[in-house]
Amino acid sequence: NAGVTQTPKFQVLKTGQSMTLQCAQDMNHEYMSWYRQDPGMGLRLIHYSVGAGITDQGEVPNGYNVSRSTTEDFPLRLLSAAPSQTSVYFCASRGSDAYEQYFGPGTRLTVT
Amino acid sequence: SQKIEQNSEALNIQEGKTATLTCNYTNYSPAYLQWYRQDPGRGPVFLLLIRENEKEKRKERLKVTFDTTLKQSLFHITASQPADSATYLCALDGGGYNKLIFGAGTRLAVHP
Repeated sequence: NAGVTQTPKFQVLKTGQSMTLQCAQDMNHEYMSWYRQDPGMGLRLIHYSVGAGITDQGEVPNGYNVSRSTTEDFPLRLLSAAPSQTSVYFCASRGSDAYEQYFGPGTRLTVT
Repeated sequence: SQKIEQNSEALNIQEGKTATLTCNYTNYSPAYLQWYRQDPGRGPVFLLLIRENEKEKRKERLKVTFDTTLKQSLFHITASQPADSATYLCALDGGGYNKLIFGAGTRLAVHP
């Protein structure tokens, strides 16, 4: 099992550009989440999903969109990148029968 | 809103000693609390979960306590080793499905 995979590992965008961060898991987990991690702050929840076709907003959803068409994939879309979105982004998944979350390796995004 | 506080200063200890990390929270009564380990450039890795009705949980050299009256969790690593050096994150149940609220983490450095 590869676990949770994320691509790309690094990305530089100019202000106003859009892009999609990819996340996939091969553990057949129902729940998936996107977090951002900034220096001195805890991981903050952006969006999450409790199953294919079901998504909801977390603590900091503005400027991001998600969809969940399959159990395996949970892409995060930045609609119009802003410097405030410079961060490290982590995707996580968990099964419905346990609370532990499995995290991907992260995507380091810089918006100039 | 819920708030989690972890020591922002790094904890430096000598190999073989017990490391104790603190997690305090306010404005909420979580059903469970989790601890994760994060190495530089990597995603967090789950270590332990403790429920509100449990006072203590152990796993090998790790011990977690949970005091719902004090709104505090303590995380202990006994017989610490340089390989234990990492940032340790506390996370609590944020209510609803798949919502975790993370602290900013405490960096632990174990010196030989």
